[in-house]
Amino acid sequence: EAQVTQNPRYLITVTGKKLTVTCSQNMNHEYMSWYRQDPGLGLRQIYYSMNVEVTDKGDVPEGYKVSRKEKRNFPLILESPSPNQTSLYFCASRVPGGGYNEQFFGPGTRLTVL
Amino acid sequence: GNSVTQMEGPVTLSEEAFLTINCTYTATGYPSLFWYVQYPGEGLQLLLKATKADDKGSNKGFEATYRKETTSFHLEKGSVQVSDSAVYFCALTPSGGSYIPTFGRGTSLIVHP
Repeated sequence: EAQVTQNPRYLITVTGKKLTVTCSQNMNHEYMSWYRQDPGLGLRQIYYSMNVEVTDKGDVPEGYKVSRKEKRNFPLILESPSPNQTSLYFCASRVPGGGYNEQFFGPGTRLTVL
Repeated sequence: GNSVTQMEGPVTLSEEAFLTINCTYTATGYPSLFWYVQYPGEGLQLLLKATKADDKGSNKGFEATYRKETTSFHLEKGSVQVSDSAVYFCALTPSGGSYIPTFGRGTSLIVHP
């Protein structure tokens, strides 16, 4: 089954404790991205990757890191999480070929930073 | 830059009512336009899309027409069901460059029996 998977689905952590949210897709997509969803603010892009070893900042990259060492994986790293990073996070990937193709989203990771 | 504006929610309707969720956009050229739906506890999934002016996207009884002259892509459904209760996102992808998408803030739809 074609899908985007994220782990963990739920995470409660404390300020300053490094964490990684994994994202994997099995559709051989080149483009992958991370979003956060907050009430009243909709979806905001954190980072995106056009291909392996190619990443770039989205609208709200502060406090986050990413890496793209393999096409299928695109982990999101919070080196020192803070309470304002409490949010619902989505990973997405897209069929290559341009902007007319839709994105496929993972199920989401709900992160709480105490 | 590009932007997408959706009507504020929540939109509350009775079953079988007519639905319209407004979406307007700002972008240069001819972006592709999308509606995504997010059911409770799930990720977003594509509902429909249109890639050029005057195209009509449709799926599951929902429709939206790409109106270049009014820069709009309003979502409509003739008769909503309780199972349509969800958050709906309008989005665009520009026609060039790195094809980075822009999303609206989402509109929550609540359908009562």
